[in-house]
Amino acid sequence: QKEVEQNSGPLSVPEGAIASLNCTYSDRVSQSFFWYRQYSGKSPELIMSIYSNGDKEDGRFTAQLNKASQYVSLLIRDSQPSDSATYLCASRRGTGRRALTFGSGTRLQVQP
Amino acid sequence: DARVTQTPRHKVTEMGQEVTMRCQPILGHNTVFWYRQTMMQGLELLAYFRNRAPLDDSGMPKDRFSAEMPDATLATLKIQPSEPRDSAVYFCASGLVLGSEGPPEAFFGQGTRLTVV
Repeated sequence: QKEVEQNSGPLSVPEGAIASLNCTYSDRVSQSFFWYRQYSGKSPELIMSIYSNGDKEDGRFTAQLNKASQYVSLLIRDSQPSDSATYLCASRRGTGRRALTFGSGTRLQVQP
Repeated sequence: DARVTQTPRHKVTEMGQEVTMRCQPILGHNTVFWYRQTMMQGLELLAYFRNRAPLDDSGMPKDRFSAEMPDATLATLKIQPSEPRDSAVYFCASGLVLGSEGPPEAFFGQGTRLTVV
């Protein structure tokens, strides 16, 4: 079992809809979680971080964390074609030597 | 414009040759990561430095890969000898950690696309 699991997709949504991206993790010691967006041929770009249970909103993006269920999600409201990319979920332990561990990513396609 | 700078952006080399990739972290950042990305494996951590000291290089094949930070503004990843299976995009990322907290958010460079033929 991979430490961070994501559905590879593609997840296809119409323009203006809500896109829901999900991620589960196996390491209960993980305390912080990150969502990166990666356009084809480009580098990953940090878009959200979340450390506490509940929701965190930033513009059209909402990250949700449920540590009891070991589940992280990213909601994108009013999806735009420019949101079409691969979204990578990453986790990290609170302390220690481990760096960020990434999932394999979910490819999102927003249809105009 | 603070960003991580990687050179070269593209590298094609023959099997058996030495490859050196360079990274300039964001000024003031004290943590550097090297990741490798392939279609099959996704993003894999190769090495992780804090204050120029290696903290985790367990993901790096030691027989052919080496990573160093000669100074705070330069990190290098070297492959010798290179093999076709090393073909991938190699990303450097940097971050800032204060005190004893764990690894920071990582800000990525543009990557080096390596092709070994």
